[in-house]
Amino acid sequence: AQKITQTQPGMFVQEKEAVTLDCTYDTSDQSYGLFWYKQPSSGEMIFLIYQGSYDEQNATEGRYSLNFQKARKSANLVISASQLGDSAMYFCAMREGYGGSQGNLIFGKGTKLSVKP
Amino acid sequence: DAGVIQSPRHEVTEMGQEVTLRCKPISGHNSLFWYRQTMMRGLELLIYFNNNVPIDDSGMPEDRFSAKMPNASFSTLKIQPSEPRDSAVYFCASSLTPGLSSYNEQFFGPGTRLTVL
Repeated sequence: AQKITQTQPGMFVQEKEAVTLDCTYDTSDQSYGLFWYKQPSSGEMIFLIYQGSYDEQNATEGRYSLNFQKARKSANLVISASQLGDSAMYFCAMREGYGGSQGNLIFGKGTKLSVKP
Repeated sequence: DAGVIQSPRHEVTEMGQEVTLRCKPISGHNSLFWYRQTMMRGLELLIYFNNNVPIDDSGMPEDRFSAKMPNASFSTLKIQPSEPRDSAVYFCASSLTPGLSSYNEQFFGPGTRLTVL
């Protein structure tokens, strides 16, 4: 079974509107972290936002916010006021274990976001 | 500050040749990760080092792949002999040791685009 599922291969959004990119995860660990990365066409991986499993409030970073619903095991990324430069692939990732036992990230397949002018 | 440095940025080689990819992590980071990205399989962890010691190499596809980290500032990923199916973008990433904080962002290098003819 996939650990990270991103069900939207591609999304379109009008410039200046908000968009939600879906991510669900599967883990039996109580301690884990959820990450979102952006990969523009140039290829680099850019960290956007992080949510820890024990964080009570949803994470926010500028125009990015994470809609964390622990019981549903979902960690959706919300981008407000979309800009043309937001067009990119977006990856949801999870790191399991708090005690250092597992440091690697498990990535979803990604969602390609296209912002229309 | 210098980010993660990878070389070469592009590599084109012929089947059967040896390929060596290089990575210099961010100074002070003691975890290093090698990922491979393809259209079919997405981003996959190949191997993960902590304090220069391989922790998890279960993602290494087969014996043709090997990775070393002789010191804290340098790592190599070697493919010998290379095959066309190895064509992919190979990313190196580094972070502080997981577990010191529940949040340790991984910083990615620009990637090496490998083409095996």
